[in-house]
Amino acid sequence: SYELTQPPSVSVSPGQTARITCSGDALPKKYAYWYQQKSGQAPVLVIYEDSKRPSGIPERFSGSSSGTMATLTISGAQVEDEADYYCYSTDSSGIHRGVFGGGTKLTVL
Amino acid sequence: EVQLMQSGAEVKKPGESLKISCKGSEYNFTNYWIGWVRQMPGKGLEWMGIIYPGNSDTRYSPSFQGQVTISADKSISTAYLQWSSLKASDTAMYYCARPGVPGDMGPFDYWGQGTLVTVSS
Repeated sequence: SYELTQPPSVSVSPGQTARITCSGDALPKKYAYWYQQKSGQAPVLVIYEDSKRPSGIPERFSGSSSGTMATLTISGAQVEDEADYYCYSTDSSGIHRGVFGGGTKLTVL
Repeated sequence: EVQLMQSGAEVKKPGESLKISCKGSEYNFTNYWIGWVRQMPGKGLEWMGIIYPGNSDTRYSPSFQGQVTISADKSISTAYLQWSSLKASDTAMYYCARPGVPGDMGPFDYWGQGTLVTVSS
């Protein structure tokens, strides 16, 4: 079945830029989405359709996609951005099955 | 405000059956797909499947096909996730979630609070 691959962890100091990648064979044809999940909470969508930011999400969150890789960038990461981040997309079967990446633990300290 | 209210935590024994629920409110339940996501303890999110309450069209992840049943009762704006024979490996938090646009299958913009299912002998 279709898989999205993320690094297990990324660590940055406050104020630095954090980049989290997500690779998948269908990403050239399918949008990537990014979720933030803080401990004990439901996920929150932070990027949709590769690079769009929902209302209420800080401008330091941005997204891009090229070929088989999508990237979530947090410019000037804050301590409160420490969380698990998941990419999401769909397979190319035409049946529409969603899939999440394995998740990346972002540490900001 | 859109709300997805899930049923409470469950503690079951292996082999038992279970049906958990997710009630949607403050929106037209019939017009939006609604899905289920599993999160095992300390692990990542897993997309299980999705249902369109308007016509009960249902899609499953290959990993969950045959393992669970997703259903919906549009008359009471409620979606369900059920197991006929639980295993210890079904222990997890289960979220229901809904896309932001009617007729869209994803991504999920609105999430329930989660239902913790514990399966232990």
